[in-house]
Amino acid sequence: AQSVTQLGSHVSVSEGALVLLRCNYSSSVPPYLFWYVQYPNQGLQLLLKYTTGATLVKGINGFEAEFKKSETSFHLTKPSAHMSDAAEYFCAVSLFGNEKLTFGTGTRLTIIP
Amino acid sequence: DAGITQSPRHKVTETGTPVTLRCHQTENHRYMYWYRQDPGHGLRLIHYSYGVKDTDKGEVSDGYSVSRSKTEDFLLTLESATSSQTSVYFCAISVQGRPNEQFFGPGTRLTVL
Repeated sequence: AQSVTQLGSHVSVSEGALVLLRCNYSSSVPPYLFWYVQYPNQGLQLLLKYTTGATLVKGINGFEAEFKKSETSFHLTKPSAHMSDAAEYFCAVSLFGNEKLTFGTGTRLTIIP
Repeated sequence: DAGITQSPRHKVTETGTPVTLRCHQTENHRYMYWYRQDPGHGLRLIHYSYGVKDTDKGEVSDGYSVSRSKTEDFLLTLESATSSQTSVYFCAISVQGRPNEQFFGPGTRLTVL
């Protein structure tokens, strides 16, 4: 079975500062990894995903994540935070051939003006 | 936009009453999912479907049933609603050719008094 741990349920950064949201996974086989974003009163929107190949994945809105197998991590970063990045972010994991996702508990990102 | 709608968007009901939530998709995707979202728990899978009349349980299926008589509709029923089922419910689909990647509906906020 797979699982995901997101460290920090709330993260605050200043506008223009680096955003780092942490995600660690547990999986017995190579995983597929995802980051989703949820804006207030909306559904989840896919930010980026890792399946195979290049371990540095670029997504929408300037976000990127790096798959590090040795650290079982898939942290989300953005070099310069913008006010519009304020949202809740979810990391998720699934396995090849298994159409189910397992989500982390989420990290709420606040941007300080 | 994967053409997913949910109805109703908001509902208030009383303990012990039956409730049915509807998820409708316009693009004939095979896999559909129901999740609930609660603070501190992220999204948890209730039930999913891999075709007409083909459904299976997720991690929090107790107290819920589902039906899928048409490809486009996936219904979630609370036979006798309880206050612990107060939550935001999301429907999702996964797209053929984009393995394990899910697209979410706008959600239904259910309050059980």
